[in-house]
Amino acid sequence: AQTVTQSQPEMSVQEAETVTLSCTYDTSESDYYLFWYKQPPSRQMILVIRQEAYKQQNATENRFSVNFQKAAKSFSLKISDSQLGDAAMYFCAYNGDSNYQLIWGAGTKLIIKP
Amino acid sequence: SQTIHQWPATLVQPVGSPLSLECTVEGTSNPNLYWYRQAAGRGLQLLFYSVGIGQISSEVPQNLSASRPQDRQFILSSKKLLLSDSGFYLCAWGRGQGISYEQYFGPGTRLTVT
Repeated sequence: AQTVTQSQPEMSVQEAETVTLSCTYDTSESDYYLFWYKQPPSRQMILVIRQEAYKQQNATENRFSVNFQKAAKSFSLKISDSQLGDAAMYFCAYNGDSNYQLIWGAGTKLIIKP
Repeated sequence: SQTIHQWPATLVQPVGSPLSLECTVEGTSNPNLYWYRQAAGRGLQLLFYSVGIGQISSEVPQNLSASRPQDRQFILSSKKLLLSDSGFYLCAWGRGQGISYEQYFGPGTRLTVT
């Protein structure tokens, strides 16, 4: 069965610095999608970025980028120039078997220090 | 564009009382719909999902039930609430096909059972 692991329950970073959140997953599939979702204090989940496993180029959305290492089954999220509004829970999710359900990690709480 | 609504936003109910949470989606047809529960500071637990009117799949046996009376309406219910039902309830709808499937979330309902 597929699993998603976020080994960092909490991370903190100084405002304007860069932080990387880790996510690893386990799958036997060759093609799949990976996602990072953000849940700010308002608690509405927001899709931040997506990556298809067959695409070698790492996805980027403004200050958010991923480091996708398919062989290592690693999918980390890098946030550049951290802002106070980036403070949130971040969840990694996997979709690989077309059953219309996502497999979720436990989340990482990101704290931004002013 | 698609929009997902949930209400109420906040609810305080005594143990043993009934529950009805409603979720509606605008701007799309025949979406897959999901109910998740989230304990404070924790990850997402999938409760129910639906691929069409009257079609409900339950992931966790409990005293909650779900119904989909209309294409874009998803209701979470309970006849008698337990203290353990307290949490944050998120409704989501799904877009895409196969492994490119993504989920988009409503604003959530914070339920406190007293």
